[in-house]
Amino acid sequence: GENVEQHPSTLSVQEGDSAVIKCTYSDSASNYFPWYKQELGKRPQLIIDIRSNVGEKKDQRIAVTLNKTAKHFSLHITETQPEDSAVYFCAQGTGNQFYFGTGTSLTVIP
Amino acid sequence: DSGVTQTPKHLITATGQRVTLRCSPRSGDLSVYWYQQSLDQGLQFLIQYYNGEERAKGNILERFSAQQFPDLHSELNLSSLELGDSALYFCASSFSRTSLYNEQFFGPGTRLTVL
Repeated sequence: GENVEQHPSTLSVQEGDSAVIKCTYSDSASNYFPWYKQELGKRPQLIIDIRSNVGEKKDQRIAVTLNKTAKHFSLHITETQPEDSAVYFCAQGTGNQFYFGTGTSLTVIP
Repeated sequence: DSGVTQTPKHLITATGQRVTLRCSPRSGDLSVYWYQQSLDQGLQFLIQYYNGEERAKGNILERFSAQQFPDLHSELNLSSLELGDSALYFCASSFSRTSLYNEQFFGPGTRLTVL
């Protein structure tokens, strides 16, 4: 039950537009869903996370929504800026293990 | 800077060899996680240690092993290296023994190239 599918694998948006990245998971026991941002040549860094008892969480231009019934969660970035360009990874936590999605390469075109 | 250190930064070796990657967690963190990042595979969880003991195992090959020492630093040993082992290896740390609700802080990674 550690399969995490992430879509799309690449995403290009115009500066100021919104970007949405979706992940689906299979393990119904999962109860923690973080999102990490990895800039080119750098380490992954946590940008937002959500627990299973919450349906939505927002932090400025970033929001995450969770649908436990459908087993999917999404990252929403509004008013995108060039510095948002990076690879974004979703993850699901089950017990002591994290399983990451395959990543979405986001390019924000100025 | 996350406070997690990894050495070496780069490692080039030949097939069949053995290497050791080292990680020092953030001060106060008891858990250490190892990940492998390949171009086509994303971030793969390998193994977790908490306060010296193995806590969880992911997709770690039998040729790979790890340990966490009393001072909490950790080493990942990769043996009988194959070309496909070339990847970026990240170490991450967190305070708690469970990954849940605890942010993992990633080190800068060790880039391993097997020729």
